[in-house]
Amino acid sequence: AQKVTQAQTEISVVEKEDVTLDCVYETRDTTYYLFWYKQPPSGELVFLIRRNSFDEQNEISGRYSWNFQKSTSSFNFTITASQVVDSAVYFCAVNTGNQFYFGTGTSLTVIP
Amino acid sequence: DADVTQTPRNRITKTGKRIMLECSQTKGHDRMYWYRQDPGLGLRLIYYSFDVKDINKGEISDGYSVSRQAQAKFSLSLESAIPNQTALYFCATSDLLGTHWNTDTQYFGPGTRLTVL
Repeated sequence: AQKVTQAQTEISVVEKEDVTLDCVYETRDTTYYLFWYKQPPSGELVFLIRRNSFDEQNEISGRYSWNFQKSTSSFNFTITASQVVDSAVYFCAVNTGNQFYFGTGTSLTVIP
Repeated sequence: DADVTQTPRNRITKTGKRIMLECSQTKGHDRMYWYRQDPGLGLRLIYYSFDVKDINKGEISDGYSVSRQAQAKFSLSLESAIPNQTALYFCATSDLLGTHWNTDTQYFGPGTRLTVL
């Protein structure tokens, strides 16, 4: 069974627009961690954020913000005032059971 | 220097050949992982190791084997490569931050692009 769903396969926005990447997860654990990773065109995977299941406060880091809603099993990622350098594939993941489970990724293209 | 390194970065090989992908880390982490990435499928776990004497199969272990030679080294082998093993392969490491296993954060190597003709 799929653990993480990223329904948006590809998104294109014009530079300076805001964009939200959706992530829905499933787990039976009461304690778990959620993650976002960025994969730029160069191919490496860059860790962005980790959030535990007990902390539902939204988090903001510069132009990035994350909205965790346990009631809907969602962990959405918003980029404010997008820039061309934000163009990448973004993966959501959940650490549950004894493995990480990754979504299939959302490819974001920011058009100048 | 990078904390997690993978060699080679690119490899082209032929069907039936034995291939080894190597991963080394200087992060001092106990846990290491091998994933493959295919377009539209995200990352899928092949094998993982929680310490030198521990090896576990992941979601897609068939056709692969691993060796944990030391805390810092974890190699992935394709005994007889086939074309559908063409993919981008990532090594990752993590460290247990708390008493519960799933507080890990995974840190990835740069990837190895493998093409099997």
